[in-house]
Amino acid sequence: TQLLEQSPQFLSIQEGENLTVYCNSSSVFSSLQWYRQEPGEGPVLLVTVVTGGEVKKLKRLTFQFGDARKDSSLHITAAQPGDTGLYLCAGAILTGGGNKLTFGTGTQLKVEL
Amino acid sequence: NAGVMQNPRHLVRRRGQEARLRCSPMKGHSHVYWYRQLPEEGLKFMVYLQKENIIDESGMPKERFSAEFPKEGPSILRIQQVVRGDSAAYFCASSRNPGQRTEQFFGPGTRLTVL
Repeated sequence: TQLLEQSPQFLSIQEGENLTVYCNSSSVFSSLQWYRQEPGEGPVLLVTVVTGGEVKKLKRLTFQFGDARKDSSLHITAAQPGDTGLYLCAGAILTGGGNKLTFGTGTQLKVEL
Repeated sequence: NAGVMQNPRHLVRRRGQEARLRCSPMKGHSHVYWYRQLPEEGLKFMVYLQKENIIDESGMPKERFSAEFPKEGPSILRIQQVVRGDSAAYFCASSRNPGQRTEQFFGPGTRLTVL
């Protein structure tokens, strides 16, 4: 069973601060996806990383996939209240049975004015 | 997640009734995944289907739960004789043919409440 541990579980910061969320596992994944979920809605895909060491930037968000493809991080620069939400990492292992996702435990982020 | 449709958005059932959850994948997607999010828990994989085939049902409870994805129409997740422990948010995701960079896009979910 693959497990993905996210840290921190909760994070409350002021607008303008920087933060990093970590996603760690002992398993190797074919790819790793980051999602953001609002209350009452489904997860919205932010990014997919595939190659060990890969770094992707999405405006103020920077995503990195670990060299061994077991861990990932999400860094947000100058956080804004609109960044508030539940951030989920999800690892996929590509097999003949598709690429079902194993989700992390989630990081609940709150950005206050 | 634009394009993946789920209905109903909210479903209330009494213990012992049946629940039917529907999912229409994004246009051009023929692969559907169902996930369940229990209160205070993370999203857990249930089943993966292609048109007319169940490919991986390793996450499905052994009893009362079934899923289908017919040639025509939406994918259906069916829960028979619901119990209170079935109360959860059920999400469907769809994708193109699985590949290393294949992405899954989620619907808004169906929130099932069992009274």
